[in-house]
Amino acid sequence: TQLLEQSPQFLSIQEGENLTVYCNSSSVFSSLQWYRQEPGEGPVLLVTVVTGGEVKKLKRLTFQFGDARKDSSLHITAAQPGDTGLYLCAGGEHSWGKLQFGAGTQVVVTP
Amino acid sequence: KAGVTQTPRYLIKTRGQQVTLSCSPISGHRSVSWYQQTPGQGLQFLFEYFSETQRNKGNFPGRFSGRQFSNSRSEMNVSTLELGDSALYLCASSLVVREDTEAFFGQGTRLTVV
Repeated sequence: TQLLEQSPQFLSIQEGENLTVYCNSSSVFSSLQWYRQEPGEGPVLLVTVVTGGEVKKLKRLTFQFGDARKDSSLHITAAQPGDTGLYLCAGGEHSWGKLQFGAGTQVVVTP
Repeated sequence: KAGVTQTPRYLIKTRGQQVTLSCSPISGHRSVSWYQQTPGQGLQFLFEYFSETQRNKGNFPGRFSGRQFSNSRSEMNVSTLELGDSALYLCASSLVVREDTEAFFGQGTRLTVV
C-alpha cells in the first residue's frame, strides 16, 4: 500500500503570512493532486502535477512535485482568511479512478 | 453545468440496517469513484466504476457494494450497518480515464449509524 504523509497536521497563521504544506511518500506516483475541502463540502481540485520537478502556480499558490515523484509541496504566499480549509494531497496510480489520499493539513488563517 | 449530485445529504440508520446512497455524475462523465471519509482514517477509496464495470476496489468488507447504470449514475450499498460505518461518503466523477484528469467531488452523504 502506498502511503502519503502530510505535514504539518494543523497550521494556524495570521493573514498576510506565508505557509508551506508537505506531502511525502516512499513510493512513486504517476501523478499527484492537491485538493482543498471546506466543512460540509466535498474536496475541490486545486492542481494536478505529473512530471518530476514540475512547478505550477495558481495565483498565490505554488505547487511543486519532487524530482523522484515521491513528494510534493504546496506554498501559499500572503495567506488570506479565504484560504482556510483542509488541504489534501492525493496520489494517482496508473488507473485514475483510485486515488490514495494523505490525512490532510488543516489550515486556519485569521484576520 | 450541474456538478456531482449526491443524495441524500444526511442519513441516520440503526445498526444492522442497510443503506443505499446515490451519485449522479456530471453529464458526460463515465467514471465514478466512491470514498469514505472519517476523522480517524481520512479519505479511503471504496471502489471505482467505468462504463458500468467495477475497475478498482479498495480494502473494505463485502458489506460495501456498488453499481453503475447505463446513464453513469452510481449507487453504493452498505448492508448490516455497524457503528464504525458512520462517515462522510463522497463520490467523484471524471470525464476520461487519465492520471491528470480533473476529479469532481459531490458534497457527500453524511451517514450516522446509531
